[in-house]
Amino acid sequence: AQSVTQPDIHITVSEGASLELRCNYSYGATPYLFWYVQSPGQGLQLLLKYFSGDTLVQGIKGFEAEFKRSQSSFNLRKPSVHWSDAAEYFCALNTGNQFYFGTGTSLTVIP
Amino acid sequence: EAGVAQSPRYKIIEKRQSVAFWCNPISGHATLYWYQQILGQGPKLLIQFQNNGVVDDSQLPKDRFSAERLKGVDSTLKIQPAKLEDSAVYLCASSLEPNTGELFFGEGSRLTVL
Repeated sequence: AQSVTQPDIHITVSEGASLELRCNYSYGATPYLFWYVQSPGQGLQLLLKYFSGDTLVQGIKGFEAEFKRSQSSFNLRKPSVHWSDAAEYFCALNTGNQFYFGTGTSLTVIP
Repeated sequence: EAGVAQSPRYKIIEKRQSVAFWCNPISGHATLYWYQQILGQGPKLLIQFQNNGVVDDSQLPKDRFSAERLKGVDSTLKIQPAKLEDSAVYLCASSLEPNTGELFFGEGSRLTVL
């Protein structure tokens, strides 16, 4: 069955530090993968997406993610976190029929 | 370009009452989705429309939830009667391509059932 796992429920980082949010998926075919960000009281905004090709994808706000088929992972990274990055982050898998979302990782940024 | 519009943003009702949420997708987006997001969880698909037809409503509790998209543009999600466990944010999303396109989300409608 298709699924998305985000192992970290909550992460706290210092402003300026690097960030990596983990995402693992379960799907037998080539996945379409997405990262969305949700600020409090807001809808989800797309950060980046992977369909095919280069396994390192760049997104908005300085985020990037790397698709690793051998590890079934699509981890999100940012080299230097800003206080405004504090939000909920969702990894999502599209099988061509339906989107599957992870349970999210809440990011806190401390000064 | 206008985004996905939803209303109302907030609604508080008592259990067994009814409520309706409205969504207007991005112009030209044929696919419309309603998601339920319970606090601390990821969005869960309730129903997916392609134009005015239902593509997937397998997770819609049909004894109390209903949704329509009569003219293939805006959509209404109704809950009647509401239960305490229906307290959640109801997110509407639309996409240009039904199978591989990214989702564009509205700001959501937060429902509290007392």
